[in-house]
Amino acid sequence: LAKTTQPISMDSYEGQEVNITCSHNNIATNDYITWYQQFPSQGPRFIIQGYKTKVTNEVASLFIPADRKSSTLSLPRVSLSDTAVYYCLVGVGNTPLVFGKGTRLSVIA
Amino acid sequence: SQTIHQWPATLVQPVGSPLSLECTVEGTSNPNLYWYRQAAGRGLQLLFYSVGIGQISSEVPQNLSASRPQDRQFILSSKKLLLSDSGFYLCAWSTGAYEKLFFGSGTQLSVL
Repeated sequence: LAKTTQPISMDSYEGQEVNITCSHNNIATNDYITWYQQFPSQGPRFIIQGYKTKVTNEVASLFIPADRKSSTLSLPRVSLSDTAVYYCLVGVGNTPLVFGKGTRLSVIA
Repeated sequence: SQTIHQWPATLVQPVGSPLSLECTVEGTSNPNLYWYRQAAGRGLQLLFYSVGIGQISSEVPQNLSASRPQDRQFILSSKKLLLSDSGFYLCAWSTGAYEKLFFGSGTQLSVL
């Protein structure tokens, strides 16, 4: 399984764009990159998934460079409610996904 | 639409007592099922996963076990709980394709 590395924590002010980068140097050809968000005492919630280039949905954007050895989750204009732990995972098919420690994002008013 | 049910929400058990946590999924067939545990302030640890009835894979050796008696039912058990079993237990399912996981609401287990 591809191992991922993320910053342990990040702080941001409300209204700013937040970019969280994840490194996955040994990503396999068939692996997809998936990001989850977790609030305290809740299960993680799927945010976005991509394979290459750029993916955008109503919540976030995911940027993946050509070599796919890293990815960046971009949250536009964060609010206090975006304070959570964000996990980057890499895998495919029936391989069970392993969560790292994630990035704890704190949004400040 | 698919839903996942997990119960109980909270549980306080004495050391040495048995445990049974149940998870059921509705609205889908032959899902992959998972049990994760999260200790206070820590990341999620994968405990067990199942790709079909009676097929259980264990990721971490411990005094817990899992069973899948029906296609959409996943049970986490222990014969004798340890203090170290305390944590937030999460059940999840996926279709198996590209592993988009859907989590239940979790069970907060305190072993005293």
